[in-house]
Amino acid sequence: SQTIHQWPATLVQPVGSPLSLECTVEGTSNPNLYWYRQAAGRGLQLLFYSVGIGQISSEVPQNLSASRPQDRQFILSSKKLLLSDSGFYLCAWSMASASTDTQYFGPGTRLTVL
Amino acid sequence: GQSLEQPSEVTAVEGAIVQINCTYQTSGFYGLSWYQQHDGGAPTFLSYNGLDGLEETGRFSSFLSRSDSYGYLLLQELQMKDSASYFCAVISNYQLIWGAGTKLIIKP
Repeated sequence: SQTIHQWPATLVQPVGSPLSLECTVEGTSNPNLYWYRQAAGRGLQLLFYSVGIGQISSEVPQNLSASRPQDRQFILSSKKLLLSDSGFYLCAWSMASASTDTQYFGPGTRLTVL
Repeated sequence: GQSLEQPSEVTAVEGAIVQINCTYQTSGFYGLSWYQQHDGGAPTFLSYNGLDGLEETGRFSSFLSRSDSYGYLLLQELQMKDSASYFCAVISNYQLIWGAGTKLIIKP
């Protein structure tokens, strides 16, 4: 069966510090991968998605970046965090060939920037 | 632009039936999905409608009318554990476009 891992679960970082969040998927090959951010009490904002190694599409201009160095690894990074980067970051995967595009989410990382 | 509209909050009584509506306006459409998210947790998939009509999964049902750009999630025999946020999401051009979510409050 497929599983998706995210770490860390919670993170408190000062403004201006760097960020690296990692997501890995097990049990499937060539998944579509997604990074979302969710502000408290709000919906999901798609940040990046990837359909393959090294292929990253950005949905929202910001000081974040994403990379996919391996088939089942997706990394979200920032060189300098802003207060507005606080939120709940969710990684998700879906089957590349599935038209329903059902997405399966990791447990999330709750980021607080102070 | 692309948008999904759903009520921000719905309140119901334990054991009752509640319907959460979703209207959408998107440039492409392949189907409508519903997700549940408990406070502090990640969204989990509930149902998918690719064609018009009703899909039933236990106590949950989902309906789609493509001509009306409208769908709903129906929850029956409400239980306290159903207290959560519910998101509709449209599959458009191989991406999910998400609504802002409906917070379902259940009273005993």
